[in-house]
Amino acid sequence: QKEVEQDPGPLSVPEGAIVSLNCTYSNSAFQYFMWYRQYSRKGPELLMYTYSSGNKEDGRFTAQVDKSSKYISLFIRDSQPSDSATYLCAMLRGGSNYKLTFGKGTLLTVNP
Amino acid sequence: KAGVTQTPRYLIKTRGQQVTLSCSPISGHRSVSWYQQTPGQGLQFLFEYFSETQRNKGNFPGRFSGRQFSNSRSEMNVSTLELGDSALYLCASSLESGVFGYTFGSGTRLTVV
Repeated sequence: QKEVEQDPGPLSVPEGAIVSLNCTYSNSAFQYFMWYRQYSRKGPELLMYTYSSGNKEDGRFTAQVDKSSKYISLFIRDSQPSDSATYLCAMLRGGSNYKLTFGKGTLLTVNP
Repeated sequence: KAGVTQTPRYLIKTRGQQVTLSCSPISGHRSVSWYQQTPGQGLQFLFEYFSETQRNKGNFPGRFSGRQFSNSRSEMNVSTLELGDSALYLCASSLESGVFGYTFGSGTRLTVV
């Protein structure tokens, strides 16, 4: 079983839709959670980071963490064509471990 | 504020050759990590350096090595290249521990023929 599971999609939605992206993980040592967005031929861009269970909002983006269920989500409200990209969840253990473990990524297309 | 700079952007090498990739982190960032990204395996951790010391290493063969200089710039080297080493190599930097996220460069696309 992989440490981090993410549905690769692809996911196609109309402009203005609410998008839900999800990851599950198996290792309870993960303490820090991030979402990255990656456009074609570019490096991943950090969207949000969080370390506690609950919701964190930033503009149209909301990150949700449920440590008891080992489940994290990213919601995108009022999705735009410019949101079309691959979304990657990433996790970091606590303590002296500096290795990010990534999900495989979900390819999202927002259609005008 | 300049981002993470990786050079070169594209590279074509022949099997058996070696290659060196370079990364300049964001000014003030002392932690530099390297990742390999392939369609099949996704993003996989290679190693992480802080103040010229390797703090973590991923599950890659010894052909993959790296180093960090006193100005935090980093290089990674791959010796005896194999076809399977074709990938996007990404460098990421952070202030210290990455708990607030890493900033990635645009990567070096390595093709081994």
